[in-house]
Amino acid sequence: NAGVTQTPKFQVLKTGQSMTLQCAQDMNHEYMSWYRQDPGMGLRLIHYSVGAGITDQGEVPNGYNVSRSTTEDFPLRLLSAAPSQTSVYFCASSGTGGWNEQFFGPGTRLTVL
Amino acid sequence: GENVEQHPSTLSVQEGDSAVIKCTYSDSASNYFPWYKQELGKRPQLIIDIRSNVGEKKDQRIAVTLNKTAKHFSLHITETQPEDSAVYFCAAISGNTPLVFGKGTRLSVIA
Repeated sequence: NAGVTQTPKFQVLKTGQSMTLQCAQDMNHEYMSWYRQDPGMGLRLIHYSVGAGITDQGEVPNGYNVSRSTTEDFPLRLLSAAPSQTSVYFCASSGTGGWNEQFFGPGTRLTVL
Repeated sequence: GENVEQHPSTLSVQEGDSAVIKCTYSDSASNYFPWYKQELGKRPQLIIDIRSNVGEKKDQRIAVTLNKTAKHFSLHITETQPEDSAVYFCAAISGNTPLVFGKGTRLSVIA
């Protein structure tokens, strides 16, 4: 199993550009989530999904969209990038028992100029 | 929703000493409390967790204690080693929503 994978590893955008961060898992996990990590702020929840076709907002959803068309994939879209979205983004998934143990992907480091 | 506070934000200990990191949570319905370790440039990884029906759990040099009445839980690392240096995050979960994390503790073990 590859576990949770994320692409790209690094990305630089200009203000106003859009892009999609990819996340995939091969563990047949129903539960998936996106966090952003900023210095001194811990991990803050952006969006999450409890299964294909079901998504919900977390603590900091503004400026981001998600969709969940398959169990494996949970992409995060930045609609119009802003410097405040410079961060490290982690995707996570969890399987049996709901949101208990969450497995994290390797992260995407995004810089918005 | 749930709110998790974590202290201290930084902690330095001498190699071989113990380290303790404390967290408090707000939602009395929270029932799962994991601890994650994140090394520089890496992803967070689960090191130990505890459920609300248990007061203490140990795994070699690490232990977690939970006080449901006071709504706080702690991570204890004994006989610290340089490879324990990392950022540690506590988290809590209640209901059908993902983990809520504390802001992290940067632990430095000085050889």
